[in-house]
Amino acid sequence: GAGVSQSPSNKVTEKGKDVELRCDPISGHTALYWYRQRLGQGLEFLIYFQGNSAPDKSGLPSDRFSAERTGESVSTLTIQRTQQEDSAVYLCASSLVGGTATGELFFGEGSRLTVL
Amino acid sequence: AQKITQTQPGMFVQEKEAVTLDCTYDTSDPSYGLFWYKQPSSGEMIFLIYQGSYDQQNATEGRYSLNFQKARKSANLVISASQLGDSAMYFCASGGYQKVTFGTGTKLQVIP
Repeated sequence: GAGVSQSPSNKVTEKGKDVELRCDPISGHTALYWYRQRLGQGLEFLIYFQGNSAPDKSGLPSDRFSAERTGESVSTLTIQRTQQEDSAVYLCASSLVGGTATGELFFGEGSRLTVL
Repeated sequence: AQKITQTQPGMFVQEKEAVTLDCTYDTSDPSYGLFWYKQPSSGEMIFLIYQGSYDQQNATEGRYSLNFQKARKSANLVISASQLGDSAMYFCASGGYQKVTFGTGTKLQVIP
């Protein structure tokens, strides 16, 4: 498809389990962003990729969170030993370029994570 | 570092009236962009409008305009002729050299 694709759309897991969330950006988009949105809250920045490097990881909440990106393609966000406070919608966005030339961010539909 | 402040958690507006949603920002980047996104109850993020920090004129997109006052570091969104379909969360965001930071949002409700 032409848009940003995220999977799974819904994930229910037990506390303590690891989860992997996937984001497939728009082809040719060099910049990729991960955000977390708790119910009724704003978007919390997690990490930004320019190509396959992550110049800004400042938003990752703890060392249980990690992310990687293969080239200028798919990114995975991994949460280890999930906790109930990790329950949220995880949104991925991509843009043609990052930095000051940043134009519109194109968002995926999000991955809803529920930790029981 | 970037910070976005949206001081209005909720707003009401009468249908067909104009409404202004406030946004102030704080950034150390000399060049940056400002965005507004709409998030209806369905959860999708819909891009509305973009303003570059060096743009001389305020951005407009249909019924949306961005009132950019650089000295005050404000980037208010003006929606003219409100429609019932405008009821949603609205997020202001700022992007500099790297990440794009979002505000906490304003919930707009349009009253018939």
